[in-house]
Amino acid sequence: KAGVTQTPRYLIKTRGQQVTLSCSPISGHRSVSWYQQTPGQGLQFLFEYFSETQRNKGNFPGRFSGRQFSNSRSEMNVSTLELGDSALYLCASSWGGGSNTGELFFGEGSRLTVL
Amino acid sequence: TQLLEQSPQFLSIQEGENLTVYCNSSSVFSSLQWYRQEPGEGPVLLVTVVTGGEVKKLKRLTFQFGDARKDSSLHITAAQPGDTGLYLCAGVVGGSYIPTFGRGTSLIVHP
Repeated sequence: KAGVTQTPRYLIKTRGQQVTLSCSPISGHRSVSWYQQTPGQGLQFLFEYFSETQRNKGNFPGRFSGRQFSNSRSEMNVSTLELGDSALYLCASSWGGGSNTGELFFGEGSRLTVL
Repeated sequence: TQLLEQSPQFLSIQEGENLTVYCNSSSVFSSLQWYRQEPGEGPVLLVTVVTGGEVKKLKRLTFQFGDARKDSSLHITAAQPGDTGLYLCAGVVGGSYIPTFGRGTSLIVHP
């Protein structure tokens, strides 16, 4: 069973630019969550999509957005990049159904550096 | 306020030593996970515990869920350099689909 695939793995942007990150979940998983990881804040929840709908949202500004497609693939977008957006962005998939125990399967992450 | 407190934050030990990592909260969790993350990679799920008092073993790793389902511990016996990484605990409060993560324990095992 193929794991969670994130692209790109590394990217460098400058302040004010925008970036789009992509995530392909494990086949059969309908939930995709996005997390931002920094040394100072740890793993912080951005949002979760289930069946193309945003089901949960964390406390991030509107510059952070996402979407999910009918094949469960997801993208997240960050507009007007700031230096503080430099982080490892992790995508995680799960089945997401009613008996969900919270287990997440993570991709390798996209390392974003904002200069 | 961090929902899940992990301790210690950093741990540097010699190969062969034993260690315990703690994950504490004032909230009751319906389930709790432990993950290990290596540098430049995503976290990898190690175990899920759901029943108060539950103990699970994974080779040299022993995981325990507190009786009240508010805390958990991870014990590693005879640590090896391959155990080096960031250990994260994550808890799910009943009715939620979203686990909350602790900030992690960074473990280095020296050969």
